[in-house]
Amino acid sequence: NAGVTQTPKFRVLKTGQSMTLLCAQDMNHEYMYWYRQDPGMGLRLIHYSVGEGTTAKGEVPDGYNVSRLKKQNFLLGLESAAPSQTSVYFCASRNWKGPNYGYTFGSGTRLTVV
Amino acid sequence: EDQVTQSPEALRLQEGESSSLNCSYTVSGLRGLFWYRQDPGKGPEFLFTLYSAGEEKEKERLKATLTKKESFLHITAPKPEDSATYLCAVLSVTGGGNKLTFGTGTQLKVEL
Repeated sequence: NAGVTQTPKFRVLKTGQSMTLLCAQDMNHEYMYWYRQDPGMGLRLIHYSVGEGTTAKGEVPDGYNVSRLKKQNFLLGLESAAPSQTSVYFCASRNWKGPNYGYTFGSGTRLTVV
Repeated sequence: EDQVTQSPEALRLQEGESSSLNCSYTVSGLRGLFWYRQDPGKGPEFLFTLYSAGEEKEKERLKATLTKKESFLHITAPKPEDSATYLCAVLSVTGGGNKLTFGTGTQLKVEL
């Protein structure tokens, strides 16, 4: 049981390049999230999805797009990368029902934009 | 807007020296308060959820408590393997209760 899997684990981009981060979960969870984590800033929500085919903006959505075409996958896209997007990106998922609402996180993608 | 503040930012303990981490919060309609542990280079790992003031939960050397304004994570007789960053987060009715808001964490170092 893999839980939440993020690919790639590391990536270096040049300013202006595009890329897609993939998150896959095998727990049949309804909700999926993309966070970024920066020193001193904590985890900040970028976008989230409450079900297949739905997405919503979080706290820091600018410069990112997302898609949830299949329930188990949540993609985060950067159309034109900027140095300010250098960060560690975490995907998380949870079921809408359950005793503890606990999120399950992936192991992260470390992105550097030069 | 939901706000979560954790203190201290960093804490150094000797093995066996008990202490507490603080998480104060401001939310409109708390649905749950969460504690996570994060090791370097890894994603946060779920520890506890607390739902109402007065609730307590324990796991090994950790005990989490909740009041109407703050939560404490008590660490009893810590060991070096308890070294990690501990994150607090809240789930509120804001935005339909679908989003966690995190604090910036307390970095705990337990030394021999």
